[in-house]
Amino acid sequence: AQSVAQPEDQVNVAEGNPLTVKCTYSVSGNPYLFWYVQYPNRGLQFLLKYITGDNLVKGSYGFEAEFNKSQTSFHLKKPSALVSDSALYFCAVRVLTDSWGKLQFGAGTQVVVTP
Amino acid sequence: EAGVAQSPRYKIIEKRQSVAFWCNPISGHATLYWYQQILGQGPKLLIQFQNNGVVDDSQLPKDRFSAERLKGVDSTLKIQPAKLEDSAVYLCASSLVTSGSLNEQFFGPGTRLTVL
Repeated sequence: AQSVAQPEDQVNVAEGNPLTVKCTYSVSGNPYLFWYVQYPNRGLQFLLKYITGDNLVKGSYGFEAEFNKSQTSFHLKKPSALVSDSALYFCAVRVLTDSWGKLQFGAGTQVVVTP
Repeated sequence: EAGVAQSPRYKIIEKRQSVAFWCNPISGHATLYWYQQILGQGPKLLIQFQNNGVVDDSQLPKDRFSAERLKGVDSTLKIQPAKLEDSAVYLCASSLVTSGSLNEQFFGPGTRLTVL
């Protein structure tokens, strides 16, 4: 079965410090990985995706993610966190069970950035 | 560009009642998705439409849930009768997609359903 795991329910970081949100995946074949963010009472917003190519993927709002095939990880990073980055973050993998595919989401990681 | 619209934003019903949710995707997006997001979990795909055809409804509880997208644009998701465990946020998403595409999905704000 193809899946993603987010090992941390919550990440706490002080404003200005580096932020890392962890994600590991388990897929057969090539992994297609995504990060989404969810602010309170709002839908999910796309941050970035890895399809192929450079292992370091740059996305919206200063976020980036590093694809590591040997560790089967796709951690989300931001060099300097802002209070406004406090939100729920989801890692997802595209499951190509047929020609259409669908997203399989992790359980989410709550990020809390304190001033 | 207008985003994905959903209504209502909140709904409270009693168990065994019926409820319907509406979604209007981004103009030109052929693919529409309905997800169920239970508190503390990631979204789970219920049904995926390509234009007005269903391409994946493997996780839709078909004894009580139904969805349609008659003209390939708007969609409705219905629950009849509702159970307590249906309490969740129902998210609609759309994307520019053809078979095998890896385009990102755009999500609406969701409908928060509480079943008492």
